[in-house]
This record gives sequence, structure tokens and C-alpha cells, in this order.
Amino acid sequence: NAGVTQTPKFRVLKTGQSMTLLCAQDMNHEYMYWYRQDPGMGLRLIHYSVGEGTTAKGEVPDGYNVSRLKKQNFLLGLESAAPSQTSVYFCASLRERGASGANVLTFGAGSRLTVL
Amino acid sequence: GIQVEQSPPDLILQEGANSTLRCNFSDSVNNLQWFHQNPWGQLINLFYIPSGTKQNGRLSATTVATERYSLLYISSSQTTDSGVYFCAVEGSGTSYDKVIFGPGTSLSVIP
Repeated sequence: NAGVTQTPKFRVLKTGQSMTLLCAQDMNHEYMYWYRQDPGMGLRLIHYSVGEGTTAKGEVPDGYNVSRLKKQNFLLGLESAAPSQTSVYFCASLRERGASGANVLTFGAGSRLTVL
Repeated sequence: GIQVEQSPPDLILQEGANSTLRCNFSDSVNNLQWFHQNPWGQLINLFYIPSGTKQNGRLSATTVATERYSLLYISSSQTTDSGVYFCAVEGSGTSYDKVIFGPGTSLSVIP
């Protein structure tokens, strides 16, 4: 049982290049989230999804797009990377809102992105 | 949207000391979780605690949802407790479905 898997783990981009980060979960969770973590700023929500085919904006959505074509996958795209997007990106999933019992947010290991 | 604050931002403890970390939130929430991020960046859930008190070994947490705060207690701290502690809330109303994190408390436990 792998939980939440993020690929790639590391990536270096040049300004203006595009790329996609993949998040895959095998727990049949409904909710999925993308966060970025910068030094001293905690985790900020970029986009999230409440189910297959749905996406919504979080706190810092500008410069990113997402898709959830399959329930198990949540993709984060950067169309034209900028140095300000240098960060560590975390994906997380949640079983469902209103679920009985503990409903714990489960994280991937993170993806470190550097934009030169 | 909902605002989450944590205090103190930084904390240095001698091994064996006790500490209390606080999380305040600006609106009613449906759930609250505490996480520990270890020095390797891994995020581990400590508590799922929408209300009440829970204990797990040397750690315990209390959430008073009506007063919009939660506390994380660390007793007899060890060097392995070092890292960053985050609280995260599941919002209500316009913040429903979002899970918002506080800025964290960075803890260093020295031998």
C-alpha cells in the first residue's frame, strides 16, 4: 500500500518552461490537495479537488493549473515557470468530508522544484 | 477565508523539558489536525482532534472549538521531537472543503 506518491521528487527548470507534477493515491480518497512550502511560511494551499472531474482554487492559485481526470490522480501544471515558483510542493489526500472516525490528511514525500 | 495562527514561532528546549504549542483559528472549523514535519521534510499526522483531549505517549492535544484554539503538549522532550509542528483546520462556510495550515512552530531540542 503506497499511500500518496509524488513524481518527480526533484526538478530544475528554466524560466518559461512548463512541467507537470503528478500525485497518485491508492486509498480511494475523494479529496486531494496541492500545497507549496516556502521557508517560514508553512504550507499554502494552491488548488484542491473534492472528487473526480472537480477542481477549485486555494489560497495561492495564480500561475498553476490542475486536473483530476481520474480519482486516483491529481496533476499540478506550471505553464510558464517563474523563479517565484521555486518551492517544495506537497500533495495530500483526505478520505471524505463527514466520514465517521478519524479522517487524516495523508501526505506525499514532496517534490522540490527549482526555477532558474 | 479562515486564518490560522500558531505560537510561539520558534522554541528551543533542553532535553527533558515540557512545552505547550498553541493554534488559534479565526472561524468555526469542522476538524483540526496536528502534524510534525521532521528534519527530512516528512509530514506525519500526530492528532486528529476536532474537539476534546487526546493523548499519545508523551504528546497530548486539546481542542476547544467554541473558543477557537487548540494546544499541543510535549512532555519530557527528546531530540527526536525537533522539527516543525503545524496545525491544520478544515474550514466551514466559505472555507468548507479547504484544509488550511498555520505557519508552524519550529522546535529544537538540545541535549
